Amino acid sequence: QITLKESGPTLVKPTQTLTLTCTFSGFSLSTSGVGVGWIRQPPGKALEWLALIYWDDDERYSPSLKSRLTITKDTSKNQVVLTMTNMDPVDTATYYCAHSPITYYFDGNTLRSDNWFDPWGQGTLVTVSS
Amino acid sequence: QSVLTQPPSASGTPGQRVTISCSGSSSNIGSNTVNWYQQFPGTAPKLLIYSNNQRPSGVPDRFSGSKSGTSASLAISGLQSEDEADYYCAAWDDSLNGQVFGTGTKVTVL
Repeated sequence: QITLKESGPTLVKPTQTLTLTCTFSGFSLSTSGVGVGWIRQPPGKALEWLALIYWDDDERYSPSLKSRLTITKDTSKNQVVLTMTNMDPVDTATYYCAHSPITYYFDGNTLRSDNWFDPWGQGTLVTVSS
Repeated sequence: QSVLTQPPSASGTPGQRVTISCSGSSSNIGSNTVNWYQQFPGTAPKLLIYSNNQRPSGVPDRFSGSKSGTSASLAISGLQSEDEADYYCAAWDDSLNGQVFGTGTKVTVL
């Protein structure tokens, strides 16, 4: 059974750096085809993808937030850490981490990847306020 | 910020069929597979459909997904009261080199 849990501060001040940790069990981030992603959801709003890290250390970031985000993994601790700099009140949201398997398939002659988020952690609400 | 467009709401009476659309572009839905998530208030999203039309173990077969061109759809057949939730589509976007989510659709059972 795969489980994930987010941890970190519930309140940060504007301009501060947010550090969130995703601790997981039931899979290894050293296994081929495995990734962990971060997604956030402001109160009453839609989901927004933030970052992904794969077993081979490949990192992907939301273009709109790339300059502020860093995602790292600690395979020995079964943890993924997301840092977001220069926090602003608009960053107030519930932050989720999720297991993200990736598979590959051919679309004609083009090799494509297919990935999804399953399961998700319970989420952690982060409020940005002075 | 959402790249994929969904209707804000959809509704039906118990037993009816409800369809939710998800409109994208050639760089996301047009080139990659679509996933759907279900979210109840105050809880984390749950994977409902992956790879356009595949149901994870445990998801009732009244949920089905399809894709055509740059659009995708989620259908709920035999709508039940426990299906009242928010639904989000998602896909990889080749131009953005990342995941994109839909705007979300709130399903109400009348």
